[in-house]
Amino acid sequence: KAGVTQTPRYLIKTRGQQVTLSCSPISGHRSVSWYQQTPGQGLQFLFEYFSETQRNKGNFPGRFSGRQFSNSRSEMNVSTLELGDSALYLCASSFGLAGARTQETQYFGPGTRLLVL
Amino acid sequence: KQEVTQIPAALSVPEGENLVLNCSFTDSAIYNLQWFRQDPGKGLTSLLLIQSSQREQTSGRLNASLDKSSGRSTLYIAASQPGDSATYLCAALNAGGTSYGKLTFGQGTILTVHP
Repeated sequence: KAGVTQTPRYLIKTRGQQVTLSCSPISGHRSVSWYQQTPGQGLQFLFEYFSETQRNKGNFPGRFSGRQFSNSRSEMNVSTLELGDSALYLCASSFGLAGARTQETQYFGPGTRLLVL
Repeated sequence: KQEVTQIPAALSVPEGENLVLNCSFTDSAIYNLQWFRQDPGKGLTSLLLIQSSQREQTSGRLNASLDKSSGRSTLYIAASQPGDSATYLCAALNAGGTSYGKLTFGQGTILTVHP
């Protein structure tokens, strides 16, 4: 069974540009969560999508947005990039059923490393 | 607001030692507590998940315990090997309707096992 895939793996952008990152979950998984990882702040939750609906959102500015498609693939977009957006962006997938939250883990992709110059 | 803390921040041990990594959390209303491993520049690999009603879980040389009342979890690694060198992260999934997909992570423990 294929794991979570993320594209691209590396990205270099300049301040003010926008970027779109893609995540393909494990087959059958309907929940996709996104996280930002930086040396200073560690891993921080961005948002979660399930069946094309955003169910949860972290404390990030509106420049960070996402969406999910009918095949469960998800994209996140960052507009007007700032230097501080340089990070490893990780997505994770799971079945996402509300009644299974106690025992269900998330499976992480390899991440997209974004460098903003 | 859930806060997760891991001690120590870094640990260096000789091969063969048994070791304990610590994780504490401030809000005991959790669905589960998870331990992950992250190799440099890579994503996270799930090691163990302890449900809120459980006290411990074991997988091979790994054993994780959970004490919700004191807000603590420990990861025990037996007979450490150089291949165990990585960053170990614990994460809590808070109970409640707004918890979908939101794991709260500690800052991690960087483990180095030298031959």
